[in-house]
Amino acid sequence: QSALTQPASVSGSPGQSITISCSGSGTDIGANNYVSWFQQHPDKAPKLIIFDVSYRPSGVSNRFSGSKSGNTASLTISGLQAEDEADYYCTSYTGSNTLLYVFGTGTKVTVL
Amino acid sequence: EAQLVESGGGFVQPGGSLRLSCAASGFTFSTYSMNWVRQAPGKGLEWVSYIGVDTITKKYADSVKGRFTISKDNGKNSLSLQMNSLRAEDTAVYYCAVSVLRGVIITNAFDIRGQGTMVTVSS
Repeated sequence: QSALTQPASVSGSPGQSITISCSGSGTDIGANNYVSWFQQHPDKAPKLIIFDVSYRPSGVSNRFSGSKSGNTASLTISGLQAEDEADYYCTSYTGSNTLLYVFGTGTKVTVL
Repeated sequence: EAQLVESGGGFVQPGGSLRLSCAASGFTFSTYSMNWVRQAPGKGLEWVSYIGVDTITKKYADSVKGRFTISKDNGKNSLSLQMNSLRAEDTAVYYCAVSVLRGVIITNAFDIRGQGTMVTVSS
């Protein structure tokens, strides 16, 4: 089982909306609804922004939304802001004993 | 609010050992499963290990199986990761992570609530 596939980079202008895809398989994303997204600023710990496909933890902006279709999950950032510039990682529960969670390859979001 | 504080990282030679700890507060530790996740310098995130609420169910990534041991002390609100036979490729920041509560349901998602502890394996 290999890493989930994300685009290396996505960019947008302030105020725009962008979408990051996360492509997996029927043994991870397609098998359950335990997809999460983490935001990571340079030299900071990852921050959970979406869990269980589309739920936001308390305190996370509603500009972040998640969805899933088949074996692909997506994170949409609406009303892009300068502070959204960061790395984003998806992850999916697999249930496998030796790879219980698989992470995405990561996407660098640049605010132009 | 859940807080996790990792400690125990440091510099170790290949083949050496380290024990990482994670102090938990702000939630009922005994009712949550826990994970360790790591991130090598300049690289992405990697799941390392899981321990269930029962403290008996344990799972490991292939890359660490047989070398790392996860444990959970509910009386001390503490999670540990004993790392033996360390290799250069184990060099990373190690984060502990707590399962996520959605309403009254504890899901299979996890949240990283600490700053991590750095492990460097080098001769």
